[in-house]
Amino acid sequence: SQQGEEDPQALSIQEGENATMNCSYKTSINNLQWYRQNSGRGLVHLILIRSNEREKHSGRLRVTLDTSKKSSSLLITASRAADTASYFCATGRDGYGKLTFGQGTILTVHP
Amino acid sequence: NAGVTQTPKFRVLKTGQSMTLLCAQDMNHEYMYWYRQDPGMGLRLIHYSVGEGTTAKGEVPDGYNVSRLKKQNFLLGLESAAPSQTSVYFCASSYAGQSTGSPWGDYGYTFGSGTRLTVV
Repeated sequence: SQQGEEDPQALSIQEGENATMNCSYKTSINNLQWYRQNSGRGLVHLILIRSNEREKHSGRLRVTLDTSKKSSSLLITASRAADTASYFCATGRDGYGKLTFGQGTILTVHP
Repeated sequence: NAGVTQTPKFRVLKTGQSMTLLCAQDMNHEYMYWYRQDPGMGLRLIHYSVGEGTTAKGEVPDGYNVSRLKKQNFLLGLESAAPSQTSVYFCASSYAGQSTGSPWGDYGYTFGSGTRLTVV
């Protein structure tokens, strides 16, 4: 069964706007990660946040984690057309590196 | 710096045929994984390996076998392909932290570009 569930399933915005995607999960985790997938390509790691962290930044990305609500959000500020992609959250729970992926959010940024 | 390389990129099989998907990484990563991606299902873990000579089952292992004879290679085999195995297959690898053995560090997975398999 899928651990993470993203919301919304699809998001369409204009260039320059901010994009927010949410992820909810069901069981306790060690860390939560976000990945981007351009059409027809492999996934690219964006950011990792550990269970004892509440917020993390990387360039235009801001990730928050609320373990009490079992949820995370990914904020992309000042979106660009090149940000158009699918975004997946993934949760890690054990020491073997296994990740459980959500179904993804499709982000479309219009020029 | 190749990262993770998957071969082949595309393949069409007939039901009952067998094939092997090859994943090679040049980052000296300990951990390797095979996932399949289906529309509306996200990515699901098939098998994984925590080191040379070791393999373990993931969420959807039935119909697949794997081998990790060399640290840099992780092979996924389909012995008798079925239409339900039509999917995009991704290989990934990750780093095992030197101090704790944790596979996470800050780098997550490195993915290959995928193999699109159709079984007719």
